Amino acid sequence: AQTVTQSQPEMSVQEAETVTLSCTYDTSESDYYLFWYKQPPSRQMILVIRQEAYKQQNATENRFSVNFQKAAKSFSLKISDSQLGDAAMYFCAYRKDLPSGTYKYIFGTGTRLKVLA
Amino acid sequence: NAGVTQTPKFQVLKTGQSMTLQCAQDMNHEYMSWYRQDPGMGLRLIHYSVGAGITDQGEVPNGYNVSRSTTEDFPLRLLSAAPSQTSVYFCASSYSRSGSNMVFFGPGTRLTVL
Repeated sequence: AQTVTQSQPEMSVQEAETVTLSCTYDTSESDYYLFWYKQPPSRQMILVIRQEAYKQQNATENRFSVNFQKAAKSFSLKISDSQLGDAAMYFCAYRKDLPSGTYKYIFGTGTRLKVLA
Repeated sequence: NAGVTQTPKFQVLKTGQSMTLQCAQDMNHEYMSWYRQDPGMGLRLIHYSVGAGITDQGEVPNGYNVSRSTTEDFPLRLLSAAPSQTSVYFCASSYSRSGSNMVFFGPGTRLTVL
């Protein structure tokens, strides 16, 4: 069964510095999607970045980038120039396609990011 | 577009009571799903639907029922609430069954069962 592991329950970063959140996953499939979601105190889940497994190039969205290591099944999120508004819970997620043609998401347990002024 | 809406935002129930959590989306999305979020456990899939009249179970379906009579609405019913169902519930929707589609989440419902 697919699993997603986030081994860092909490991380802290100084404002304007860079922080990397770790995520590893387990799958026997070759084609899949990975995501990072941000959940601020408002509880709304916000998509930060996504990566298609068939793409070798790491995804980038402004200050957010990923380090996707397919062979190692690792998908870390790097936040550059951290801002106070980046403080939130971050979830790594794997999208599993089902035989029925649908899919489901498998989420990690989350990493709480604190940004220090 | 209002996106994905959930009501109520907060709810307190007594053990054994029943209630329905409402979820609606106005984006004509086929795929809708319910998750519960518990501390240290991330989000777990309860039920999902790939279109009106079609539903299926996720990882933790026991104690919950769903139906999908319209494309827009996907209510989650707790038949007889238990303290173990105290959680934050998220509804989510997306347009396509497959592909790198974006998933939209509702704001969540915090449920406490006493």
